[in-house]
Amino acid sequence: GENVEQHPSTLSVQEGDSAVIKCTYSDSASNYFPWYKQELGKRPQLIIDIRSNVGEKKDQRIAVTLNKTAKHFSLHITETQPEDSAVYFCAASWAYGGSQGNLIFGKGTKLSVKP
Amino acid sequence: GAVVSQHPSWVICKSGTSVKIECRSLDFQATTMFWYRQFPKQSLMLMATSNEGSKATYEQGVEKDKFLINHASLTLSTLTVTSAHPEDSSFYICSARRTRQGVYEQYFGPGTRLTVT
Repeated sequence: GENVEQHPSTLSVQEGDSAVIKCTYSDSASNYFPWYKQELGKRPQLIIDIRSNVGEKKDQRIAVTLNKTAKHFSLHITETQPEDSAVYFCAASWAYGGSQGNLIFGKGTKLSVKP
Repeated sequence: GAVVSQHPSWVICKSGTSVKIECRSLDFQATTMFWYRQFPKQSLMLMATSNEGSKATYEQGVEKDKFLINHASLTLSTLTVTSAHPEDSSFYICSARRTRQGVYEQYFGPGTRLTVT
């Protein structure tokens, strides 16, 4: 089955710097890779996702890149702000012909942005 | 769009009692919902997959007689923790799946903090 590894487990950056979180996956059939942000005691929120037919996707200060050959994908946050502080989870699943496997989550990265 | 609600947000119960948690997709129909458990500072652990009109599929190690799941409609799934014990204390989060552009997306409820005394 699918296995998702996420690094680092904790990340501390200064406000305004960039933050990068990396994930690797094991199942080459996976083709859907969402990222979730979870603030303390709250629900995980879908912040961006990428499908395997593209290599990069951007949404304002957030971008995700995918390398299918190496089976890894990364979340990039630029110009970090204190409100970006949260735990970020990557996930992977497959989706073909109207069927989809369950999302497999990484263990999470606690991002702290220091003002 | 894609709002998922969960009720209650927190509950305290005595050991041996049962607790029911509701998960609703408010603005879309969800044929599939998921129940997760999350321990402090840990990732989301999938407990079971709930399909409307059929029996839930439980992950290995999850007791189906203890965690009863019912998916009675396209917008409602319930998780009942039966004969709760202190070790069942945790943060339970549901999520509902919808289809967009041919791919499923999952949206999470706000979670239920269960404390068993």
